[in-house]
Amino acid sequence: QVQLVESGGGVVQPGRSLRLSCAASGFIFSGYGMHWVRQAPGKGLEWVAVMSFDEKNKFYADSVKGRFTISRDNSKNTLYLQIDSLRPEDTAVYYCARVACLLCPLDYWGQGTLVTVSP
Amino acid sequence: DIQMTQSPSSLSASVGDRVSITCQASQDIANHLNWYQHKPGKAPELLIYDASNLKTGVPSRFSGGGSGTYFTFIISSLQPEDVATYYCQQFRDLYTFGRGTKVEIK
Repeated sequence: QVQLVESGGGVVQPGRSLRLSCAASGFIFSGYGMHWVRQAPGKGLEWVAVMSFDEKNKFYADSVKGRFTISRDNSKNTLYLQIDSLRPEDTAVYYCARVACLLCPLDYWGQGTLVTVSP
Repeated sequence: DIQMTQSPSSLSASVGDRVSITCQASQDIANHLNWYQHKPGKAPELLIYDASNLKTGVPSRFSGGGSGTYFTFIISSLQPEDVATYYCQQFRDLYTFGRGTKVEIK
């Protein structure tokens, strides 16, 4: 069955960096695009970034452009999100999700990893 | 940027009631709209894609409709397990989620 497991979250000081991972199994990872979506405490879902299956296309939300970098290693079936210059407003649960194409629905999601930015 | 206005932000209804949620896009998005269910502590789940198509395995009491700028999501007979927050999401121009509708049982 399709499984997406996020990791790498934790408590981090403002200005530091963090790399989140999303380990995929149960499907051919190299054939799917992947998203990152986050949810701040008490708030709704916010789209963060997407990467195509072949790494040729990647897009970011304006709120994270320049500080967040999405990447993937198809040999390791893993998606990454590098977050630099962390801000308190980046505090959120970060989810990864799978898509069959960039104009396709997010059909499977992980359970998320919590990032807390605090002095 | 395309903005998605979802309403209501919350609702309370009785088991068996018909529940309706609307989502309005700031510009024409054709049928490029999906609906998700999110329960606390769980992974969000896709329910409806391309505005009106039910994902395989999703109960038929869930349905979606609309096109252009106005969309609806309906639960025809609310069940206790439907307590969750529901989100619309456009993918006409990048991706935007609505603010969510929290559904509770009265």
